[in-house]
Amino acid sequence: GDSVTQMEGPVTLSEEAFLTINCTYTATGYPSLFWYVQYPGEGLQLLLKATKADDKGSNKGFEATYRKETTSFHLEKGSVQVSDSAVYFCALSVGAGTALIFGKGTTLSVSS
Amino acid sequence: EAQVTQNPRYLITVTGKKLTVTCSQNMNHEYMSWYRQDPGLGLRQIYYSMNVEVTDKGDVPEGYKVSRKEKRNFPLILESPSPNQTSLYFCASSFSQVNTEAFFGQGTRLTVV
Repeated sequence: GDSVTQMEGPVTLSEEAFLTINCTYTATGYPSLFWYVQYPGEGLQLLLKATKADDKGSNKGFEATYRKETTSFHLEKGSVQVSDSAVYFCALSVGAGTALIFGKGTTLSVSS
Repeated sequence: EAQVTQNPRYLITVTGKKLTVTCSQNMNHEYMSWYRQDPGLGLRQIYYSMNVEVTDKGDVPEGYKVSRKEKRNFPLILESPSPNQTSLYFCASSFSQVNTEAFFGQGTRLTVV
């Protein structure tokens, strides 16, 4: 079945470090791909998305490129801040009658 | 302000005592769903609804009920809660089921003792 695999956390970085959170997927058809972020005590909010191969989603300095050949959608940021500390979820959507399918989440902790 | 509102935010209850978690959205979205979030398991869908009076099971529907009598409301009902339903619950809505952003409520932390 359709699934998302993302790297286990926690990821601990110093401020201004480079961030990569890996995400790979298995899906039938042509899924849309998403990154959601969950700040402490809050619900999930969309960070970025890509709906077709080679699309790059970007927001708040974060980027991810939809790579069909490697079935990946890795999240990157060039210089993290303490305020980026949160749980990040990779997710996919394949079509009517199915849910958003989430990875298990990666906790990012950034220290100053 | 566009939002999904869940109530209550926190709830402690006893085994077997029926409870309802409410969810309301003000964006005229057709698609609504409930998820539970558990450590190490991520988010799993409980039920979803594609429109008024149309509901269907997600991945983990056992022990839950839902209803969709109005477009804006999608309550989650636990008829006889058990300790294994202790979890963090999220309601979400979106304009359609695919390719569109899902908006999440702030979550309901439920403890069943």
